[in-house]
Amino acid sequence: AQSVTQPDIHITVSEGASLELRCNYSYGATPYLFWYVQSPGQGLQLLLKYFSGDTLVQGIKGFEAEFKRSQSSFNLRKPSVHWSDAAEYFCAVGSSGYSTLTFGKGTMLLVSP
Amino acid sequence: GAGVSQSPSNKVTEKGKDVELRCDPISGHTALYWYRQRLGQGLEFLIYFQGNSAPDKSGLPSDRFSAERTGESVSTLTIQRTQQEDSAVYLCASSLSTREQYFGPGTRLTVT
Repeated sequence: AQSVTQPDIHITVSEGASLELRCNYSYGATPYLFWYVQSPGQGLQLLLKYFSGDTLVQGIKGFEAEFKRSQSSFNLRKPSVHWSDAAEYFCAVGSSGYSTLTFGKGTMLLVSP
Repeated sequence: GAGVSQSPSNKVTEKGKDVELRCDPISGHTALYWYRQRLGQGLEFLIYFQGNSAPDKSGLPSDRFSAERTGESVSTLTIQRTQQEDSAVYLCASSLSTREQYFGPGTRLTVT
């Protein structure tokens, strides 16, 4: 069965500092990987996705993520965090013929002044 | 264009009552998904509709939960005889293909 682990429940980053959110997955074949962001009271917004090809993918709002098959990881990064990035971030995995996504439990990002 | 919409945005109900939650997917999206998000948890898959195929109900937690979809349009998630553990945010998503899912804002259900 596929699974996703986000080891950090909360992370606090100073505004302007760099950010890395960790995601590890377990999946038997080539995974489809996603990062979503959820602001309070909102639905989930897709930040970026990896299906195949270049393992470094660019997303919206200045985010990027790198797929590392050897480490079963898909960590999310941003070089300089803005206060508006404070939200909850979810990593998810699916398959080429998926009908559903399996989500991690999320990482809450807090941005300090 | 319009995104996925859900109604109501909030629902408070008494234990034992039935509730219906509605999802309007993005027009033309053939696939529709329901997820549940409990406080402090990730999203749990509930049910998936794809075109005219039989729905994948493997995530429904009990027979009190059911869902219907009319063609490739509106879907209704029904919870019968609600329990306090049903309190959660129920999220609907739709997709055009077997790839990106677009989520609605969710319905926050509180069972008192």
